[in-house]
Amino acid sequence: QKEVEQNSGPLSVPEGAIASLNCTYSDRGSQSFFWYRQYSGKSPELIMFIYSNGDKEDGRFTAQLNKASQYVSLLIRDSQPSDSATYLCAVIGDRGSTLGRLYFGRGTQLTVWP
Amino acid sequence: GAVVSQHPSWVICKSGTSVKIECRSLDFQATTMFWYRQFPKQSLMLMATSNEGSKATYEQGVEKDKFLINHASLTLSTLTVTSAHPEDSSFYICSAKTASSYEQYFGPGTRLTVT
Repeated sequence: QKEVEQNSGPLSVPEGAIASLNCTYSDRGSQSFFWYRQYSGKSPELIMFIYSNGDKEDGRFTAQLNKASQYVSLLIRDSQPSDSATYLCAVIGDRGSTLGRLYFGRGTQLTVWP
Repeated sequence: GAVVSQHPSWVICKSGTSVKIECRSLDFQATTMFWYRQFPKQSLMLMATSNEGSKATYEQGVEKDKFLINHASLTLSTLTVTSAHPEDSSFYICSAKTASSYEQYFGPGTRLTVT
């Protein structure tokens, strides 16, 4: 069983600030990690995925992975009110019966205030 | 590309009746589809995994006789909630993936209310 832990928040940052979202996972052998954004009443949408240690940047978003410490984070630069949502961290099952299955954290609620 | 649709987007039904929810991959072949349930303020809970042409694999605690899943083609999976009760009221979301990628594409969800 893969455990994925996130601070539930809420996390509140002013517009233009950097929002930092953190996630830890229990299975040291996990290889692939995903960040999803979910607006209230909507289904999740993929923001980024990361497989390798280090940073991966996509526009205002940067995912950071540290497999030795078993954590993955998401930084949102120049935060906008439209970024206000719940952010879900997910780890993928990569063997046997868990292959392809996503294990989600509880999500961190982010509010960006103008 | 990679669009998943769900129908209906919302449904209200009376207690004791059955409801069918469809999940379709519109522009790709989905070898695997997943069904999730989400209660307010909670994260997604995986209910079952279905592979095309095979019986669904249900998560522990999910009643397979109550939540019937059929994945008869590479573009369609259905979830039927049988003898629905108010506690089944929830947001049901499907996702789909191809055989060659780990990425899951989510449908827009179906909000079920049982009165």
